[in-house]
Amino acid sequence: DADVTQTPRNRITKTGKRIMLECSQTKGHDRMYWYRQDPGLGLRLIYYSFDVKDINKGEISDGYSVSRQAQAKFSLSLESAIPNQTALYFCATTPGGAGGTDTQYFGPGTRLTVL
Amino acid sequence: AQTVTQSQPEMSVQEAETVTLSCTYDTSESDYYLFWYKQPPSRQMILVIRQEAYKQQNATENRFSVNFQKAAKSFSLKISDSQLGDAAMYFCAYRSGNTNAGKSTFGDGTTLTVKP
Repeated sequence: DADVTQTPRNRITKTGKRIMLECSQTKGHDRMYWYRQDPGLGLRLIYYSFDVKDINKGEISDGYSVSRQAQAKFSLSLESAIPNQTALYFCATTPGGAGGTDTQYFGPGTRLTVL
Repeated sequence: AQTVTQSQPEMSVQEAETVTLSCTYDTSESDYYLFWYKQPPSRQMILVIRQEAYKQQNATENRFSVNFQKAAKSFSLKISDSQLGDAAMYFCAYRSGNTNAGKSTFGDGTTLTVKP
């Protein structure tokens, strides 16, 4: 079984709808991240969480919110989706402490289309 | 802020040949990590190779090796004996050695085509 899972894998929604993307991990890592990838571009950080009570904005957090329900779960919400939020979304994890600088483990991605 | 630049949007290589993908970065930090990730059509981000900045020795993983030039802030990826399965987009990424820094910074990627 995959260590980092994302649901749904693909989603089509309409402008103005609220949508939630979910991420779960079985790696036991403290830190979790949400990234966005647009065509022809690298990944950009939306939000990250160092533990359940520590949530931080990334470089492109406007229009998004997150919830860290447990160590293993980190959800990304689009309160009112707009077409330019159409993108590929990745969840990632790293260990805490000194391991937080180490390799990130990525989920399989969620392809979101906002019409 | 750190930046990562991949100057080659697209590269192609003949099967069994060698190709080098370029990456430069800008940082004022001395402690950091560099990564190459592969993204095939399946969209999965797959770690190819990892380099700690404090290590002078270039990292190697089977057919994949890097040329890490710390002073020049250059981190290129060499793929030897290219295979059809190497076709993918490749991303260079920087990660701070500061445990509170949080994020990785990614380049915009290089699409590698492998010709049979």
